[in-house]
Amino acid sequence: DAKTTQPTSMDCAEGRAANLPCNHSTISGNEYVYWYRQIHSQGPQYIIHGLKNNETNEMASLIITEDRKSSTLILPHATLRDTAVYYCIVAGSARQLTFGSGTQLTVLP
Amino acid sequence: GAVVSQHPSWVICKSGTSVKIECRSLDFQATTMFWYRQFPKQSLMLMATSNEGSKATYEQGVEKDKFLINHASLTLSTLTVTSAHPEDSSFYICSARDAEVWETQYFGPGTRLLVL
Repeated sequence: DAKTTQPTSMDCAEGRAANLPCNHSTISGNEYVYWYRQIHSQGPQYIIHGLKNNETNEMASLIITEDRKSSTLILPHATLRDTAVYYCIVAGSARQLTFGSGTQLTVLP
Repeated sequence: GAVVSQHPSWVICKSGTSVKIECRSLDFQATTMFWYRQFPKQSLMLMATSNEGSKATYEQGVEKDKFLINHASLTLSTLTVTSAHPEDSSFYICSARDAEVWETQYFGPGTRLLVL
């Protein structure tokens, strides 16, 4: 599975959009981009995933560049409860997920 | 939908005893379940992949005789930590892949194990 690179940490003001970047320059054609988050002492929570097209659901939007080498997770109106470690993972649909270090997002009041 | 439960949520046991952790998919069938371990301030590490009705596949460095996995039904997988020692103390998390929506895995809330 392709490796991903994420910033170690980011801050965001409450109520503002949080934009979390992820680089995955070695992604292959059949690999999806997944985003999960883990709030302290809990299991990871699925957020969103995509293959080529941008995706949106009730939690977030996923923007994938045309060459698929990078993506951005957007939380449109961050709240304090969005403080968590966010993991960007690239994997084939039938493959296991390999977690990196993720980005610690801290939403500030 | 897509809820995965784990039981117990936490357990304290004496060194040398065995501990069983259950992972259930509550509203979907899971042909494949995964077991992860997470130590403090570290990321999740995959331990094994469990397919319903067949033997689990363990990651390198994970002792299959110590971490027994059973996936007897489409909604239940169990992890038994045999002869637990203090170094097995960790946060154990399972995930399940929906049999009908293969793309997505859903995670349980985790089980915190403390071996004294």
